[in-house]
Amino acid sequence: DAKTTQPPSMDCAEGRAANLPCNHSTISGNEYVYWYRQIHSQGPQYIIHGLKNNETNEMASLIITEDRKSSTLILPHATLRDTAVYYCIVIGNNDMRFGAGTRLTVKP
Amino acid sequence: DSGVTQTPKHLITATGQRVTLRCSPRSGDLSVYWYQQSLDQGLQFLIQYYNGEERAKGNILERFSAQQFPDLHSELNLSSLELGDSALYFCASGGQGKETQYFGPGTRLLVL
Repeated sequence: DAKTTQPPSMDCAEGRAANLPCNHSTISGNEYVYWYRQIHSQGPQYIIHGLKNNETNEMASLIITEDRKSSTLILPHATLRDTAVYYCIVIGNNDMRFGAGTRLTVKP
Repeated sequence: DSGVTQTPKHLITATGQRVTLRCSPRSGDLSVYWYQQSLDQGLQFLIQYYNGEERAKGNILERFSAQQFPDLHSELNLSSLELGDSALYFCASGGQGKETQYFGPGTRLLVL
């Protein structure tokens, strides 16, 4: 079973920030939080990951709470091409267990 | 382009048959992961190989098997196929454990 909980769907206006929440209350100390997205039926695409600290790359920012029980993926300026299913995953022993993810729809 | 290749892109077969899906990892990656994505089950981890050896097992049926060859490509064998095996099968490659995984474009299997 997936170790994460995400809202099933969210909408965001084009050009605005998209904030996607994830709960992972049973996360262990050595487990990372990864975010992937899947556009239509393409292979999932890596976005970002983190352990304790907040992370930022060219695609997104990841904010992890101090107790590590939840995190938020931030797409700073969402575009129509960011419409996808976003998966928050906790990785421990080599296997990734995907939940249902959040279907983000960016609207013009 | 993730650098991971999968063949074939599409496969149509009949119940009871056997098929082989192939995956070539990114250059330098030693791990290959297999996933199944069906409409009602989401993305399910099946199995991981690292440098030729099985490393982790997920929800893989006994009718399914995989192997990783010395050149690091991997094959997923599906036998005694059932209608419910119709799905997208993804391969991903990566490092030893908690590193990023890079997914291929998938093989769409249809069992009639």
